[in-house]
Amino acid sequence: QKEVEQNSGPLSVPEGAIASLNCTYSDRGSQSFFWYRQYSGKSPELIMFIYSNGDKEDGRFTAQLNKASQYVSLLIRDSQPSDSATYLCAVNRDSSYKLIFGSGTRLLVRP
Amino acid sequence: DVKVTQSSRYLVKRTGEKVFLECVQDMDHENMFWYRQDPGLGLRLIYFSYDVKMKEKGDIPEGYSVSREKKERFSLILESASTNQTSMYLCASSLRTGANTIYFGEGSWLTVV
Repeated sequence: QKEVEQNSGPLSVPEGAIASLNCTYSDRGSQSFFWYRQYSGKSPELIMFIYSNGDKEDGRFTAQLNKASQYVSLLIRDSQPSDSATYLCAVNRDSSYKLIFGSGTRLLVRP
Repeated sequence: DVKVTQSSRYLVKRTGEKVFLECVQDMDHENMFWYRQDPGLGLRLIYFSYDVKMKEKGDIPEGYSVSREKKERFSLILESASTNQTSMYLCASSLRTGANTIYFGEGSWLTVV
């Protein structure tokens, strides 16, 4: 079992819809959770991070964390074609400096 | 803004050559990392460094070494390049404390022929 799992997609949504991206992790000791966006041929860029159970909102993005069920999700409201990218989930264990990345979910937003 | 600069964006090297990939960050971050990214395999950690002259192996260190002589600079070395090291290499940095948020450089595309 991979430590961080994501559906590879592509997830296709129409413009203006809510895109829901999911990620599960195996290590219950995981402390911090990150979402990165990566455009084709570019490096990952941080969207947001979350530590605590519940929701965290930043503009059109909402991260949701459920430690009991070991999943973290990213909601993108009012999806735009410019949101089309691969979204990487990353997990930071305990006091480790390392982030463990999932393989990413490819999102396509149709005009 | 955090700036992580990878000096070589696109390289083509021959099998057996020694390859140096350089990375510099300007935010006084203690931690620096080298990842490689391959289709279907995601980002995999090669090495990381949490201080000058300190290094730890990541998940796939075989065939690689690193050097951190100064806080801002972290070099990845392929001692004898092989075709299975053709990949995109990403350097990253983070603070030791706080969110541990990692910031990436633009990536170096290496092709070994």
